[in-house]
Amino acid sequence: GEDVEQSLFLSVREGDSSVINCTYTDSSSTYLYWYKQEPGAGLQLLTYIFSNMDMKQDQRLTVLLNKKDKHLSLRIADTQTGDSAIYFCVPVYNFNKFYFGSGTKLNVKP
Amino acid sequence: EPEVTQTPSHQVTQMGQEVILRCVPISNHLYFYWYRQILGQKVEFLVSFYNNEISEKSEIFDDQFSVERPDGSNFTLKIRSTKLEDSAMYFCASSERRADSPLHFGNGTRLTVT
Repeated sequence: GEDVEQSLFLSVREGDSSVINCTYTDSSSTYLYWYKQEPGAGLQLLTYIFSNMDMKQDQRLTVLLNKKDKHLSLRIADTQTGDSAIYFCVPVYNFNKFYFGSGTKLNVKP
Repeated sequence: EPEVTQTPSHQVTQMGQEVILRCVPISNHLYFYWYRQILGQKVEFLVSFYNNEISEKSEIFDDQFSVERPDGSNFTLKIRSTKLEDSAMYFCASSERRADSPLHFGNGTRLTVT
C-alpha cells in the first residue's frame, strides 16, 4: 500500500511561517489534500492540489508539489496560535482512495 | 455550512458487546465512508458505501463490522462483538461524487472497549 511520511512535530513562534512537509511513495495520486485536526475535533479540509499543478495559494496557505521527488509541503504564513493542530497530508488515488499520513503536530508559541 | 454529524461523541462498552455508531452525512452527498484512528496511530480506511451497498472495504473491516443506511439520512457502523483493540476514534465521512470530491468528516465517536 501507499506510504505517506510526515515529521511528527513542528514548533514555531506566532507570526513566523510554518512549513509542514510530506513524502509519499506512489506517484499516481490524482489529488493531494491537507486536513487539519484540532484537539477533540474532526478532520477539517484545509486545501488541496491537483497532481498536475506545482503550486496553489489559498490566503495564508501555500501548497507546493514536487511530483518528481514525491514531496508535498504546506506553508502557513503569519502562523497564529489558532493554527495549533495536527496537519495530515492525504494523497488520493483512483479518485477515491484517501491515504493519511501520520500527521504533524504544529505547536505555535505566543 | 452543512456538516457531517456523529453520535454519540463518546461510547464506552464492555468487550463482547455490540455497538452502533451513528452518522448523518451531508444531505446531497452520495458516497459515505468510515475511517478509524487508534490513539497515536494513522487514520485508516474501513469501508465506503454507495447506492445502498459496500463499494470497497479494507482488511480491517471483517465480519464483525457491518454498515447500513437504514433511512434517507442515517449511516451506521455496527460492531457485533467488540474487542479491546476496537478502541479508537471512528470518523464518518461523506462526499458529493466519487471522483474529484473531498471527504467531509464528522467530529468522530471515541469508542472505548473495557
